[in-house]
Amino acid sequence: QSALTQPASVSGSPGQSITISCTGTSSDVGGYNYVSWYQQHPGKAPKLMIYEVSNRPSGVSNRFSGSKSGNTASLTISGLQAEDEADYYCSSYTSSSTRVVFGGGTKLTVL
Amino acid sequence: EVQLVESGGVVVQPGGSLRLSCAASGFTFDDYAMHWVRQAPGKGLEWVSLISWDGGSTYYADSVKGRFTISRDNSKNSLYLQMNSLRAEDTALYYCAKDGSSHGNLDYWGQGTLVTVSS
Repeated sequence: QSALTQPASVSGSPGQSITISCTGTSSDVGGYNYVSWYQQHPGKAPKLMIYEVSNRPSGVSNRFSGSKSGNTASLTISGLQAEDEADYYCSSYTSSSTRVVFGGGTKLTVL
Repeated sequence: EVQLVESGGVVVQPGGSLRLSCAASGFTFDDYAMHWVRQAPGKGLEWVSLISWDGGSTYYADSVKGRFTISRDNSKNSLYLQMNSLRAEDTALYYCAKDGSSHGNLDYWGQGTLVTVSS
């Protein structure tokens, strides 16, 4: 099962907006509305930021939003803050026998 | 408060075996599917395995299929990962995670336990 494709890195200045893409296939991202996004700071466990494409768990800032078009999902962070600097991973439910697949991760740098 | 606490990570020789445990609290354990996810040093997240709420269905990444076995004991609120025929590439921090929707929505994670496979 191939990993979902994410850009290795993105960057933005405080206050700006950035978008991270996550490309899969019709067997995962395109076939189900079960895309999640996780934030991971160095040395910390991942934290769920978005689930089922566009839903935010309680306590997650509304600066984080998710969407999907075809086989590509996207995470948008608006009003960038220094604390948003972290690694971001997408994942999707998949019809393959493995059931879950992750993206390779994107390092967000806040300039 | 949901808590997931992994244990069992050690240094083990190639070809060896190991059993990881994850103690869960703060939620009704037998209502939820559970996952193991690993992260090799300096690398990204890799999904390892999934078990349904009742243990009746299990799924594995191709990289561990046939070598790892996921299980759970709902009477003890515990999740396990039996790891056999360990390889150097299995070296990683292993996280257990709760699935909020049974469709890969990992809403709570433990802090991880480190497995090092080395001679």
